[in-house]
Amino acid sequence: DQQVKQNSPSLSVQEGRISILNCDYTNSMFDYFLWYKKYPAEGPTFLISISSIKDKNEDGRFTVFLNKSAKHLSLHIVPSQPGDSAVYFCAASPFSNTGKLIFGQGTTLQVKP
Amino acid sequence: KAGVTQTPRYLIKTRGQQVTLSCSPISGHRSVSWYQQTPGQGLQFLFEYFSETQRNKGNFPGRFSGRQFSNSRSEMNVSTLELGDSALYLCASRKSGVAGVDSYNEQFFGPGTRLTVL
Repeated sequence: DQQVKQNSPSLSVQEGRISILNCDYTNSMFDYFLWYKKYPAEGPTFLISISSIKDKNEDGRFTVFLNKSAKHLSLHIVPSQPGDSAVYFCAASPFSNTGKLIFGQGTTLQVKP
Repeated sequence: KAGVTQTPRYLIKTRGQQVTLSCSPISGHRSVSWYQQTPGQGLQFLFEYFSETQRNKGNFPGRFSGRQFSNSRSEMNVSTLELGDSALYLCASRKSGVAGVDSYNEQFFGPGTRLTVL
């Protein structure tokens, strides 16, 4: 039973355009959501997070949107850069102040110059 | 500020052996969590330690164990290795503390230890 799903295994966008990565979850009790970027043979790099009491959080080129009624979150990258090419994971925290994260399967983003 | 460090970075073992992996969290971070990443199962939570106590545990057999020291450094041990234990093992640290403070939920990962079981 996969509680966090990233249904698109891959996404390709042109440099300078917007990248939108999507994530769905099944457990309405999830309290906190995070996005990570990962390069091969490296650990995930934290990008941005959002608490369940918010519906949007911005940090530079990265914006995360949370739609609790649809149990859906998305990561927007604007403008996309070739260096953004990596695997992106969304993760959910089942309760506050816990190290336990449930990860999606990841989406490989390719940004073409 | 130094990030999360893990040693060793690469390890090759044979079936039946045991292995110990080490993790040093970011200075000031009191919680350490361990994850296993495999192509088939993705990133899966193993356990979390805080103040030398296991706080959460994932769905892994008892061959997987861990501990945390008073300086927050952590080790995980896998006994009686199986071929399926070949994976990237990741350690993550966070500040931890009072619930409701967003920064306490942000986890930062180390580079991982690549374990190959032959």
